[in-house]
Amino acid sequence: EVQLLESGGDLVQPGGSLRLSCAASGFTFSNYAMSWVRQAPGKGLEWVSAISGSGDSTYYADSVKGRFTISRDNSKSTLFLQMNSLRAEDTAIYYCVKPKAASGKFSDCWGQGTLVTVSS
Amino acid sequence: DIQMTQSPSSLSASVGDRVTITCRASQGISIYLAWFQQKPGKAPKSLIYAASSLQSGVPSKFSGSGSGTDFTLTISSLQPEDFATYYCQQYNSYPITFGQGTRLEIK
Repeated sequence: EVQLLESGGDLVQPGGSLRLSCAASGFTFSNYAMSWVRQAPGKGLEWVSAISGSGDSTYYADSVKGRFTISRDNSKSTLFLQMNSLRAEDTAIYYCVKPKAASGKFSDCWGQGTLVTVSS
Repeated sequence: DIQMTQSPSSLSASVGDRVTITCRASQGISIYLAWFQQKPGKAPKSLIYAASSLQSGVPSKFSGSGSGTDFTLTISSLQPEDFATYYCQQYNSYPITFGQGTRLEIK
């Protein structure tokens, strides 16, 4: 059974940093591109970032480009999101997402999410 | 970026009704369109991918159609558990984008 377990969400001040983790199990992690999707309170879904299975290719939404960095440790089946220069508008639940096909972009499995709150 | 526009934004329906939600892409995305269902406090659940392919375990009351720029999600014979928010998503190219959501409420 595929499992995605996010952690690292917290209350942080504007301008601060936070690192999210997603521990994956139940599939060959290194074969799959992975993504982060977020949802601000009471709002819709926003794709944030994606990374290829090898980690060689990364992609970002314009809203986080230059501030967030996606990475992965295939030896530990773990996905990361380093978030710097955090803003109030980054407040959201952050979901770790796995695609249905190894190199595909359709996300068929979502974690339970971790809450990031940016506030003074 | 590809903009996804869903309509309606909200919809009231009764148990047993059949409803249709539409999603329009700002440019052609072939069939790279997915639909998700989200209930309060829960992660989204995938329903349909490739515009019309039913995700494993999803009941056949859900169906999708379309290609290019215009897509629909149809839910037949609504049951209480179907009242939720539905999102379309294009995954033709990065950045992946979602529609704004359609809130399906009980009349």
